[in-house]
This record gives sequence, C-alpha cells and structure tokens, in this order.
Amino acid sequence: GIQVEQSPPDLILQEGANSTLRCNFSDSVNNLQWFHQNPWGQLINLFYIPSGTKQNGRLSATTVATERYSLLYISSSQTTDSGVYFCAVGPGGSYIPTFGRGTSLIVHP
Amino acid sequence: NAGVTQTPKFRVLKTGQSMTLLCAQDMNHEYMYWYRQDPGMGLRLIHYSVGEGTTAKGEVPDGYNVSRLKKQNFLLGLESAAPSQTSVYFCASRPADRAGNQPQHFGDGTRLSIL
Repeated sequence: GIQVEQSPPDLILQEGANSTLRCNFSDSVNNLQWFHQNPWGQLINLFYIPSGTKQNGRLSATTVATERYSLLYISSSQTTDSGVYFCAVGPGGSYIPTFGRGTSLIVHP
Repeated sequence: NAGVTQTPKFRVLKTGQSMTLLCAQDMNHEYMYWYRQDPGMGLRLIHYSVGEGTTAKGEVPDGYNVSRLKKQNFLLGLESAAPSQTSVYFCASRPADRAGNQPQHFGDGTRLSIL
C-alpha cells in the first residue's frame, strides 16, 4: 500500500514563530487532507488539497502531486496551534485514506 | 448541524465484556469508517462501509465486527473485549465518489479502556 511519511515528528516553537510541516507519499494520489488534532483529541479538518495551494488565515498548504509531497505552513504561531498535525492521502479510485504518524507541535507562550 | 456523532464518548470495560459503539451521520454520506488511534500512531482503519448493507475489513479488523443496517449509522462491536483494544476510536464519513475526491469528516472520538 501507499506509504506516508511526515516530518518532523516533533516541533517546539515560541509563539510568533513560523513553521513548515511536510508530508511525503510513495504513490500518486488524488485525495489529500491535513488535520489538526487538538489537545482534547478532536480531529479538525484543515485543508482538502490533492493539488495546488490553499490558504486559510495563518495556515496555508501546498501539494505538489507530481513530486509526491505536501507542505503545511503555519505563520505567527499561537499556543492554540499546539497539537498533532496529520496528513491523510488516498490513491486514485481508493475509498481508503492512509494516515501518516503525525507531527507533534508545541507552541510556548 | 451535528455532522458525525459518536456514542458513547468514554467507556471502561472489563476483559471479556462486549459492547457496541455507535456512529451516526446526518450528511447523507455513503462511505463510513471506523479507526483506532494508539499513542504515537496515526489512525489505523478497522472496518469501513461503502453503502448501506455493505462492510469491508481494513488494516486491523481482528476482534471487531461492524454493521451498516441504515445509511446514517455504522456500528462497531467488540464481542469479547481485550486490554489490547484499549484505544481511542474515531468514526468518519465521506460522500460517495469513486475517484476518491472527497474529504472525510470525523466524529469527536470514543475513549475506551479495557481493564
């Protein structure tokens, strides 16, 4: 099956810093999502982005499908950004997304 | 606008007991999924369904059964709970799209402890 690798596994930032999270995948996909799991365990949809670039406030994401990676940018980080960020990808014709192991982010005040 | 609702939110069981987790969605989605999440891991798929009356095994199906008798509900059953099934369980749903071009929507999770 498709392999999904996220980096870095852990990230610690001071409030106000910027960061880039990466998701590499081993096969072509037509379904890619970024999620934030908050400290209460809820999974929050951030972006559905199988290709191209999207922005939502301080967060943006870019997927380069031909090179099999996606990036999540967090600018001017806040303590509420803390949690685990997952990407999930699905190859064409698949009902089943595969999740990466996530990037754990801690933002200190 | 409820979305995906999981019941219960927390449960503690003794080894050997049985229970059923309920997932309900009000978005008329065709596809539904059950995942488990263990510390340091991403989500692993237990079972999924692509429509009413259909189910299929995912990556880690052993020890679980599922049923999809109604389109809006997807039930996950543990017939004889084991400590290895202590985990957080997530349900998700997604609109039908054979090309896979639709995002998943998740419930808030069920935290299950087996003693």
